[in-house]
Amino acid sequence: ETGVTQTPRHLVMGMTNKKSLKCEQHLGHNAMYWYKQSAKKPLELMFVYNFKEQTENNSVPSRFSPECPNSSHLFLHLHTLQPEDSALYLCASSQDGTGAGYTFGSGTRLTVV
Amino acid sequence: GESVGLHLPTLSVQEGDNSIINCAYSNSASDYFIWYKQESGKGPQFIIDIRSNMDKRQGQRVTVLLNKTVKHLSLQIAATQPGDSAVYFCAESLEFSSGSARQLTFGSGTQLTVLP
Repeated sequence: ETGVTQTPRHLVMGMTNKKSLKCEQHLGHNAMYWYKQSAKKPLELMFVYNFKEQTENNSVPSRFSPECPNSSHLFLHLHTLQPEDSALYLCASSQDGTGAGYTFGSGTRLTVV
Repeated sequence: GESVGLHLPTLSVQEGDNSIINCAYSNSASDYFIWYKQESGKGPQFIIDIRSNMDKRQGQRVTVLLNKTVKHLSLQIAATQPGDSAVYFCAESLEFSSGSARQLTFGSGTQLTVLP
């Protein structure tokens, strides 16, 4: 374990379903991130939270809705997804502003059917 | 837009040989660089990092070289082992314009295969 835990590890959902991905970090970091990793493409930054405040939204469709109730937890709420949203969703955390200790979780493999 | 890219998508080396994985970056404002290793079914794992005020940094069996003149980064793995087989990503980092947290821009990765 890296100190960043993601659940579930695998998720299959229909296009009309609503589901949530969870990320938890026990590293004392103040910044948390959501990334999308599709096959044969670079990691794409989706959202950034720093001290629980969303500071970046990389033009992500509204069917993805992040939530950060505290510095240790991060959620990604999913609603009315498309098959092209199938990917590995990675959470990461870091000490704010310094980049030190940028650590990833193992990801949630999402399949939209 | 500016991006980080890798020269080769695949690299095969004999067990025991040294491996060199290259990376080009284009954002001269980037001040921090990280190499990650990603094994199948896992998230990226930190290997080694380097700040822009350095040109070389060594870890256990790994060395990162930074050439800011030509915006080039490389990862050297000594005595490559079967467990080193994975996808390797470089990432460049700079602070967001808002001054909060850190943005990482990743290359598409190089698949390293270690042959017996």
